[in-house]
Amino acid sequence: KAGVTQTPRYLIKTRGQQVTLSCSPISGHRSVSWYQQTPGQGLQFLFEYFSETQRNKGNFPGRFSGRQFSNSRSEMNVSTLELGDSALYLCASSRGDMNTEAFFGQGTRLTVV
Amino acid sequence: GESVGLHLPTLSVQEGDNSIINCAYSNSASDYFIWYKQESGKGPQFIIDIRSNMDKRQGQRVTVLLNKTVKHLSLQIAATQPGDSAVYFCAENPVPYGQNFVFGPGTRLSVLP
Repeated sequence: KAGVTQTPRYLIKTRGQQVTLSCSPISGHRSVSWYQQTPGQGLQFLFEYFSETQRNKGNFPGRFSGRQFSNSRSEMNVSTLELGDSALYLCASSRGDMNTEAFFGQGTRLTVV
Repeated sequence: GESVGLHLPTLSVQEGDNSIINCAYSNSASDYFIWYKQESGKGPQFIIDIRSNMDKRQGQRVTVLLNKTVKHLSLQIAATQPGDSAVYFCAENPVPYGQNFVFGPGTRLSVLP
């Protein structure tokens, strides 16, 4: 069974640009969550999508957005990039019912210059 | 998401000894918890989970203990091996539906030969 796939693995963007990251969950999983990991703040929850709807949301500005497609694949978009957005962005996949295991992908390393 | 601290605790153990990694969680409403292992350059790897109606759960070489009274989790690793060297995170899910995992700051485990 294939795991969670995130693309691309690495990205370098310029301040002010926008970026789109992609996540393909484990087959049969309907929930996709996104997290930001930085050395200073650790792992922080961005948002969760389930059945193409945002179900939970963390405390990030509106520049961070996402969506989920009918095949459960998800994309995350960050607009007007800031230097502080440099981070490892992780996607987690789960079945979606209450309190079930969440499995992470390898992440996308975003560097904003 | 909650902010986490800058300091990453470190635990050094001899190969073959048992390891105990501790975690204090913040939300008394959390009823689901996961321990993750993260190796350098990789996404977090699911180790074991526990629901709030349990106080102990065992896996292969690992045991998780939950003390709801003091909001404390621990991960015990038996016969620690060099491959166990990594950063370990506890995560709590304070929402009743879906995911909004709040991660601890992590503990770096170093296994000495």
